[in-house]
Amino acid sequence: DIHMTQSPSSLSASVGDRVTITCRASQGISSYLAWFQQKPGKAPKSLIYAASRLQSGVPSKFSGSGSGTDFTLTISSLQPEDFATYYCQQYHSYPRTFGQGTKLEIK
Amino acid sequence: EVQLVESGGGLVQPGESLRLSCAASGFTFSNSWMNWVRQAPGKGLEWVANIKRDGSEKNYVDSVKGRFTISRDNAENSLYLQMNNLRAEDTAVYYCATDGPGPFDDWGQGTLVTVSS
Repeated sequence: DIHMTQSPSSLSASVGDRVTITCRASQGISSYLAWFQQKPGKAPKSLIYAASRLQSGVPSKFSGSGSGTDFTLTISSLQPEDFATYYCQQYHSYPRTFGQGTKLEIK
Repeated sequence: EVQLVESGGGLVQPGESLRLSCAASGFTFSNSWMNWVRQAPGKGLEWVANIKRDGSEKNYVDSVKGRFTISRDNAENSLYLQMNNLRAEDTAVYYCATDGPGPFDDWGQGTLVTVSS
């Protein structure tokens, strides 16, 4: 199985900040990497697929990059609604696997 | 607008069975791979299974192989998950999700399965 490791596991930031979350795959996954946002008590929401492609309706403040084993999610100009847990996920091979999550909290 | 509505969750004892359903609308169901993803209380996300558009291919995470069966009815725009021999570690919110340009493009609200004696 491909193991996905996110860092950091938690992150405190202020409104207006720019933050970056890193995701590392245990083996190469090309660009088969997606990012999701989840708020407490809600279903996850797809943000990015193919490492850098923004889902329809997702604001451009979210951006993704990387290929192979190392990937990043960057969120610019944080707003209160951005504070949530973020997950990366690989769909290069089965089983599809998620990172452990990064909880983004307000400082 | 894509809508996915899960149902069928509940409290069961270890070893019992449960069948989850997901009613889909707002998109061409028969054109989409469909997935089940679960989340144990306070934990992260775990992909459980998926099924090809016509039902001809199914994939499962190892921990549910031989116990869970994913299926679909394209005429009814419905996805199912038959869960047998349930274990405490299967306790989770179960989400159905569509594949689109990316994986898990759209999600339902989830249904809670609790396995406890």
